[in-house]
This record gives sequence, C-alpha cells and structure tokens, in this order.
Amino acid sequence: QVQLRESGPGLVKPSETLSLICSVSGGSITTYYWSWLRQSAGKGLEWIAHFHNTGGTIYNPSLKNRVTMSGDTSNNQLSLRLTSVTAADTAIYFCARGRLSGSWYEFNPWGQGTLVTVSS
Amino acid sequence: DIVMTQSPDSLAVSLGERATINCKSSQSVFHTSDKKNFLGWYQQKPGQPPKLLLYWASTRESGVPDRFSGSGSETDFTLTISSLQAEDVAVYFCQQYVTVPPTFGQGTTVDIK
Repeated sequence: QVQLRESGPGLVKPSETLSLICSVSGGSITTYYWSWLRQSAGKGLEWIAHFHNTGGTIYNPSLKNRVTMSGDTSNNQLSLRLTSVTAADTAIYFCARGRLSGSWYEFNPWGQGTLVTVSS
Repeated sequence: DIVMTQSPDSLAVSLGERATINCKSSQSVFHTSDKKNFLGWYQQKPGQPPKLLLYWASTRESGVPDRFSGSGSETDFTLTISSLQAEDVAVYFCQQYVTVPPTFGQGTTVDIK
C-alpha cells in the first residue's frame, strides 16, 4: 500500500524559507491528487496546496503568495516551499493523498507529519 | 472560505454508550452536480495523523467499524459512535471539500467518562 513520509529541517529562522519533501512509496505521484496540510494549535488543520501531475497545482489563497508545491516524478517525491516564514508558520506539516484517483480532498492516506518550528 | 464549527469542543461518554458530535458549515456543502454532501469526518489519535472515517457525509471508509455513522445535509451534520470503545478516544474533525480551500472544524475531543 502507498506510504508517505515527510522530511525537512525541524527549525527554521524567521524570514527564511521552509523546504519540505514528501517521499512516496508503494504508488506513483503521476496519478492521484497530492496535498500538503499543516496543523497548529492556533489555526488547527489547514490545507496548503495540492498537486496533480497533469492537472497542475492549486494553492490556498491565504498562502498563495508565499508557497510553491511541485512534484518530482523521477524520485516520486513532492516538495513544499514556504517563504518569509514567521512564528505563525510553526506547525506539524503533513502530506496526504486523495482517496481515489479523482478525489481532490478526501484525504487518505496521510504521512506521519513533520514538526517545523520557526524561531531564531 | 467556508467556516466549519463543531460542538461540543469535548465530551466524555461511558464505555458502550453513544457519542454524538455536531458539525455546522457556514454555507451549504451540497455538491449540486454530484448530488452529494462533500463532508468528511476524521479521527486523530495522539501522535498520529488524522484518519479518514467517513466521506460524502455518511459513507464509511474501508475498514472503519460500523459503530461509526454520519448523517445530515446541506449545513448540519452529525457523527455518531453508537457504542463507545476504549480505542475510540481521540479528537474528531469534520471537513468540507465542496469549495477550495477545503476547511476543517476545530475538533471535538472524545474521552471516557
């Protein structure tokens, strides 16, 4: 079955760029919709963006100016870049897949998540 | 964005008793083309990611016990655990996905009384 694993630096300084990778095994990122989400005490669960290999990428308007999501089909990985981070971006970041190949936002499965703290 | 509001924020139920969680959306989540409510329910246990329990408001994901059920339409929805088990202690979230961005409720913590 498909498995997702997030990785990246646990600590990022304010105003810098956060970069995360989601490594996918047991399935190809060339099919399905893939999303990044985050969870924080302050904002709860928040969807960030989704990627589809032929359908393109859609972003949450609240983050659109700062976020880039892309897919690396050679390595079967998804990436997330978030620029100009502040303490408000401190969260657990998850990657998740749509339940079926045509499902945008019925999220199953999820990765275990990676905690990112923004602090100097 | 559609705002999802859950009630209560927390509840404690005796083992074997019914637990009911409500979810209200700020606008209808009924998808007119598909004729389905685009509403999902998730369960999250400590240290784990959320797990999809129900989609289309009332359809159980594969492997989810039938003590979990969902109901409602348009703007008002309910998740019911018919007979609470110890392993059901968790935080439960509703989520709408009829519009972009998909949005989640604030969560309801279910514990044992």
